[in-house]
Amino acid sequence: KQEVTQIPAALSVPEGENLVLNCSFTDSAIYNLQWFRQDPGKGLTSLLLIQSSQREQTSGRLNASLDKSSGRSTLYIAASQPGDSATYLCAVRGSQGNLIFGKGTKLSVKP
Amino acid sequence: SAVISQKPSRDICQRGTSLTIQCQVDSQVTMMFWYRQQPGQSLTLIATANQGSEATYESGFVIDKFPISRPNLTFSTLTVSNMSPEDSSIYLCSVENGLKGFFGPGTRLTVL
Repeated sequence: KQEVTQIPAALSVPEGENLVLNCSFTDSAIYNLQWFRQDPGKGLTSLLLIQSSQREQTSGRLNASLDKSSGRSTLYIAASQPGDSATYLCAVRGSQGNLIFGKGTKLSVKP
Repeated sequence: SAVISQKPSRDICQRGTSLTIQCQVDSQVTMMFWYRQQPGQSLTLIATANQGSEATYESGFVIDKFPISRPNLTFSTLTVSNMSPEDSSIYLCSVENGLKGFFGPGTRLTVL
């Protein structure tokens, strides 16, 4: 059974810092991995999608990497801003088509 | 991309009652997914709804408790039946487009 773990559970940084969020999964047989952002009272916003054959994806200040063989992904956020404060969720898509989520990392960026 | 709306956005319900949540997508999709996010927890898949067939439920979820309808390719409903405080959660509808997951804004349910 696929399990997804995110470390740390919570992170507080001053504005401007670069930071890394970690995600690990137990079964490397995935179709893709997706990073989401969840804001309080709102749904999920997709940030980056990495196909199983890819190593990384970039969007603006965000860079996500995938090492499928070791079951790991990282989300790198450059020059963090207070508006980046949210919960970041990692999810892998397995053979059944559904997404399996980690518990998330709650990020707080202090001005 | 896909734009998903859900109704209601939130509700407070009494124990023993039922609530039906609606999910509308702006394009036709084969599969729609219903997830639950309990307080402090991550998202857990309840069931997958395909048009024209019965929903497929994950372990720990049953049709009597969470009946699902999928009358067409853009709409689905999830009913939370005979509610208890343990059902207090955010319920989210999701679709897949190009192997990418898109989510509705969620329905925040509180059961007293």
